[in-house]
Amino acid sequence: EAEVAQSPRYKITEKSQAVAFWCDPISGHATLYWYRQILGQGPELLVQFQDESVVDDSQLPKDRFSAERLKGVDSTLKIQPAELGDSAMYLCASSADRATNEKLFFGSGTQLSVL
Amino acid sequence: GENVEQHPSTLSVQEGDSAVIKCTYSDSASNYFPWYKQELGKGPQLIIDIRSNVGEKKDQRIAVTLNKTAKHFSLHITETQPEDSAVYFCAVTGFQKLVFGTGTRLLVSP
Repeated sequence: EAEVAQSPRYKITEKSQAVAFWCDPISGHATLYWYRQILGQGPELLVQFQDESVVDDSQLPKDRFSAERLKGVDSTLKIQPAELGDSAMYLCASSADRATNEKLFFGSGTQLSVL
Repeated sequence: GENVEQHPSTLSVQEGDSAVIKCTYSDSASNYFPWYKQELGKGPQLIIDIRSNVGEKKDQRIAVTLNKTAKHFSLHITETQPEDSAVYFCAVTGFQKLVFGTGTRLLVSP
């Protein structure tokens, strides 16, 4: 069964350092999402891509976060500089749907700890 | 924006009992209502979904019901098994964005 791949699985960093997360969606899925999930809460959307274009980045803290999906396939989410409050699970999801935000498939996430 | 409330936050049942989780939403224009199951150390997995033109949907031991007038929907799990233990999230498509509830931790005791 096709899966969304994410790496690394865990990341520990010190505040003010730069971190990057990688996501490879299910083959053929045009829409890719990055979500942040704080312990005990539901996932919150950071950024949504359709192919290589950003559809929604209204909740992305653009002073420190950036995301790209240059060839419309895999994607990278970067944080620079990391802050203590960025500790969370970063989830990538993909969907074959282009306009409805339905049938999202999630990866296993990257657990970030900022010390 | 869309506001999604989920109850209860924790639910403990005995194996074989039924479990019900409820969510309410604020945007009457919302039209898609999925439920996700998240096991420890994994990402959420879609288990069932329903669109606003349908009142109920079943898939083996799980079912979802939707009341558009009252703006609430529920997940029903019958004949619960220990492997049903996980965190369950409802979600709603509102303002072109999928918004998740706060989650329900379900514990099924043998």
